[in-house]
Amino acid sequence: SQKIEQNSEALNIQEGKTATLTCNYTNYSPAYLQWYRQDPGRGPVFLLLIRENEKEKRKERLKVTFDTTLKQSLFHITASQPADSATYLCALDEGRALTFGKGTMLLVSP
Amino acid sequence: DVKVTQSSRYLVKRTGEKVFLECVQDMDHENMFWYRQDPGLGLRLIYFSYDVKMKEKGDIPEGYSVSREKKERFSLILESASTNQTSMYLCASKQGSSYNSPLHFGNGTRLTVT
Repeated sequence: SQKIEQNSEALNIQEGKTATLTCNYTNYSPAYLQWYRQDPGRGPVFLLLIRENEKEKRKERLKVTFDTTLKQSLFHITASQPADSATYLCALDEGRALTFGKGTMLLVSP
Repeated sequence: DVKVTQSSRYLVKRTGEKVFLECVQDMDHENMFWYRQDPGLGLRLIYFSYDVKMKEKGDIPEGYSVSREKKERFSLILESASTNQTSMYLCASKQGSSYNSPLHFGNGTRLTVT
């Protein structure tokens, strides 16, 4: 079955810097990869979806890349703000439902 | 905006009790899902449904059942609650069967079984 790895250690960065989060996967060749944001005590919220034939996708300060050769997606937040502090989850569709990584917590300090 | 509503934010039940977790979505989505989320284990799929009265097992269905009598409502049932079912339960819905439809989550029910 699908295995998805995200860095379990929290990422601490200063406001204004670019945050880069990594999602690696094995045992599958997904057609799509999704990223979600989760705040404490809340359900995940969809951010971006990228298709296998798209190298890069942008939405405002967010950028996602998808390298099917490396089996890796990178999630970037440029000009980060304290309000970006949250846990970010990547997810792959195995054909029946989404399988999620365990998420990486991002902490942006002023 | 899609709204997925879970009936309880916090629930405390005793071991052996039958527990019902309710989820309602207001966007006529065909697909609905139940996940549980635990520290260090992430989100794990319990059951899902792609149509009324249809259900499929996820990765950890043991000890759970589901009911989908109406399109907008998907219930998770703990037949006999146990302490290892203490968790955050998240319901989600999705439009259609397309891979590129995002999930819309409720805000979760934090269940404690004592």
